[in-house]
Amino acid sequence: EVQLVESGGGLVQPGRSLRLSCTASGFTFGDYSMSWVRQAPGKGLEWISFIRSKAYGGTAEYAASVKGRFRISRDDSNSIAYLHMNSLKTDDTAVYYCTRDASYGDFIIDYWGQGTLVTVSS
Amino acid sequence: DIVMTQSPDSLAVSLGERATINCKSSQSVLYSALNKNYFAWYQQKPGQPPKLLIYWASTRESGVPDRFSGSGSGTDFTLTISSLQAEDVAVYFCQQYYNTPITFGQGTRLEIK
Repeated sequence: EVQLVESGGGLVQPGRSLRLSCTASGFTFGDYSMSWVRQAPGKGLEWISFIRSKAYGGTAEYAASVKGRFRISRDDSNSIAYLHMNSLKTDDTAVYYCTRDASYGDFIIDYWGQGTLVTVSS
Repeated sequence: DIVMTQSPDSLAVSLGERATINCKSSQSVLYSALNKNYFAWYQQKPGQPPKLLIYWASTRESGVPDRFSGSGSGTDFTLTISSLQAEDVAVYFCQQYYNTPITFGQGTRLEIK
């Protein structure tokens, strides 16, 4: 059974940093591209970052709203994806979902974690 | 960025009746060389993460009931639930994956009338 479990969320002050982790199981992690999608309270979905599998270069892409502040990475040996978040703003408050991209197409999200809440507030 | 606009924002349908949700993209998401629309639908129930329903505009994800169907091409797409069940109460999102940034519609809330 595919499982994605996020951790690392919590309350953080504006300007500070936080690292989210996504521990994957039930599939060969290194074969898949992974993404992070966030959802502000009561709002819609915002894609924020993506990392390809090593077989496709392991390259990353970012939404403009987080580019230069957030960095995605992956540890295939431990089946973990990370989202390193710096210079956090109040607008970054959201539930952050770790997601797996389907084998039949990048950015088609076939599995989602339960999400971890990040609250940016002084 | 490709803007995805759903209509309506909310919808109330009687049990057993048809529900139709529309999504329009600000530019075509049809990749002509492959004749594929880079378009998907997701369902999000309260307190849960979204769930993939439809991809390539009309391909149903494994395990999704066949009362869910997707149609459309280019810039105009439709999600149809042929006979609404109580468990279909949710917010539905469309998504384009034609190019980055990947973008979602604002969501359509589906309720029972």
